[in-house]
Amino acid sequence: KAGVTQTPRYLIKTRGQQVTLSCSPISGHRSVSWYQQTPGQGLQFLFEYFSETQRNKGNFPGRFSGRQFSNSRSEMNVSTLELGDSALYLCASSSLTQGGSEKLFFGSGTQLSVL
Amino acid sequence: AQSVSQHNHHVILSEAASLELGCNYSYGGTVNLFWYVQYPGQHLQLLLKYFSGDPLVKGIKGFEAEFIKSKFSFNLRKPSVQWSDTAEYFCAVRVSTAGNMLTFGGGTRLMVKP
Repeated sequence: KAGVTQTPRYLIKTRGQQVTLSCSPISGHRSVSWYQQTPGQGLQFLFEYFSETQRNKGNFPGRFSGRQFSNSRSEMNVSTLELGDSALYLCASSSLTQGGSEKLFFGSGTQLSVL
Repeated sequence: AQSVSQHNHHVILSEAASLELGCNYSYGGTVNLFWYVQYPGQHLQLLLKYFSGDPLVKGIKGFEAEFIKSKFSFNLRKPSVQWSDTAEYFCAVRVSTAGNMLTFGGGTRLMVKP
């Protein structure tokens, strides 16, 4: 079974631009979560989608948004990039349909650098 | 909002030494607790979890953790570490009704010297 696939693996953008990151969950998984990982702040929850609906949202500004498609693939978008958005963005998928899952499966992440 | 503290940021041990990594959380309600591990060059993966029942839980590769509710702690232990345990370890908490929204600690980098 293929794991969680995130594309692209690396991105370099300049301040003010926007970026879209993609995540393909494990086949059959309907929940997709996004996390931001930085050396200073560690791992921080961005949002979770389940069956195309945002189920939870972290404490990030409105420049960060996401969506999920009917095939469970998810995208996250960051508009008006700032230097502080430089981070590793991790996607995680899980299989359970209700409540929380016992286990998240993480992708390798997209390393975003904002210059 | 809940928070998670991992008190050791960097730990260096020799092989066969015992390991204990601290994790404390702040939330008064029902929580689910996790330890995730990230080996060099690999994805984050689940090491072990606690949802309910026996507060001493066992995970993969000989790791175990003990949930002490009165101390809001979920410390990770291994009696004898190996060089292959070199990795970064993350404690995480989920409020039981919060879907898959995990709050992670800052992580502990463990280096095991051969």
